[in-house]
Amino acid sequence: EIVMMQSPATLSVSPGERATLSCRASESVRSNLAWYQQKPGQAPRLLIYGTSTRATGIPARFSGSGSGTEFTLTISSLQSEDFAVYYCQQYNNWATFGGGTKVEIK
Amino acid sequence: QVHLVQSGAEVKKPGASVKVSCKTSGYTFTSYGVSWVRQAPGQGLEWMGWISAYNGNTNYAQKLQGRVTMTTDTSTNTAYMELRSLRSDDTAVYYCARDSGTTVTTEDFDYWGQGTLVTVSS
Repeated sequence: EIVMMQSPATLSVSPGERATLSCRASESVRSNLAWYQQKPGQAPRLLIYGTSTRATGIPARFSGSGSGTEFTLTISSLQSEDFAVYYCQQYNNWATFGGGTKVEIK
Repeated sequence: QVHLVQSGAEVKKPGASVKVSCKTSGYTFTSYGVSWVRQAPGQGLEWMGWISAYNGNTNYAQKLQGRVTMTTDTSTNTAYMELRSLRSDDTAVYYCARDSGTTVTTEDFDYWGQGTLVTVSS
């Protein structure tokens, strides 16, 4: 099973600042990497798939990059609605999720 | 619009089984797969398995092999997940999600159901 590791576990950011979230795979997942956002009491929402393609309706302030084993989700200017937990997911070999990064208000 | 609507909350005793349904609408059911993901209280997301709505192929997470069965009913565009021999650590919110992987393997999950809380308690 491919293990996905996210860092940091918690990220404290002020509104308007940039947030950079990391995701590392235990082996190469090529570009088969997605990012999800989850708010309390809600189902996850797909943000990014194929490492860097934004899902329908996702604002341009969300961007993804990386390949192989190292991936990054960047939120260029945090809005109030962006404070949430973010998960990466590989689908190169079935599916596994990272443990999540909580983005909280600084 | 795409919708996935799940069945309601369940309370089960240890050793029992639970079957959660996921009724879909707004898209061609057999053009996608369905993945099931669960989330224990205060924890992260755990992928449980995938089923192709096109040909019924399945793949289950290794830790659930032998206890989980996923099926679909193409006449009602509904997916089902049954989990047997329930334990207290199966207590979680269970989600179905539309999977872009159609016939061979899982991909990304672009639409999700609202979740079904399954509580396992004696």
